[in-house]
Amino acid sequence: QQPVQSPQAVILREGEDAVINCSSSKALYSVHWYRQKHGEAPVFLMILLKGGEQKGHEKISASFNEKKQQSSLYLTASQLSYSGTYFCGTERGSQGNLIFGKGTKLSVKP
Amino acid sequence: DAGVTQSPTHLIKTRGQQVTLRCSPKSGHDTVSWYQQALGQGPQFIFQYYEEEERQRGNFPDRFSGHQFPNYSSELNVNALLLGDSALYLCASSFIDRGGYGYTFGSGTRLTVV
Repeated sequence: QQPVQSPQAVILREGEDAVINCSSSKALYSVHWYRQKHGEAPVFLMILLKGGEQKGHEKISASFNEKKQQSSLYLTASQLSYSGTYFCGTERGSQGNLIFGKGTKLSVKP
Repeated sequence: DAGVTQSPTHLIKTRGQQVTLRCSPKSGHDTVSWYQQALGQGPQFIFQYYEEEERQRGNFPDRFSGHQFPNYSSELNVNALLLGDSALYLCASSFIDRGGYGYTFGSGTRLTVV
């Protein structure tokens, strides 16, 4: 079951904040977040594990509500380099495969 | 430290032909997953290889097959190509027990079927 991401697109000015949401109808083991710039590979940002463990970047944070099977990615004080398409990926087991959402396109303007 | 390497970067094939895409995982990784990404969409899981065997498979027809070699590198084969197979094919490597770590993706192979 593909997770649902919202919004589909966001336009920000440098320094503004953004929140990207990801929800699933199935019980999850983990949620991953990746950023993909045009023509490039997706880059791993963050993983949130069932039970509350979190790993990832310093300037980007995320939350995982296990009861609601929802995750949110928080981008604060956005920089031009934050532009790209953000994908959440969900897993149902520790050795499961990753199912991606359709992505959220983030554009940061000067 | 080399990341995930994919070859070729671009490929043009004719309908009905067969194609082989290659992937070398990040050093130390033992698991390779293949994804198909259509324009403007998220990557879709094709299959995953570990210990030279297909562990999991997504909703793709048997025309899509793969292989993993003893050095962990992998190939994706697609037979009887259709126009709809045109996409970016991504290879991702990881440890089988990833714990709190994510996947490392290659830059992909852009396949165009004409």
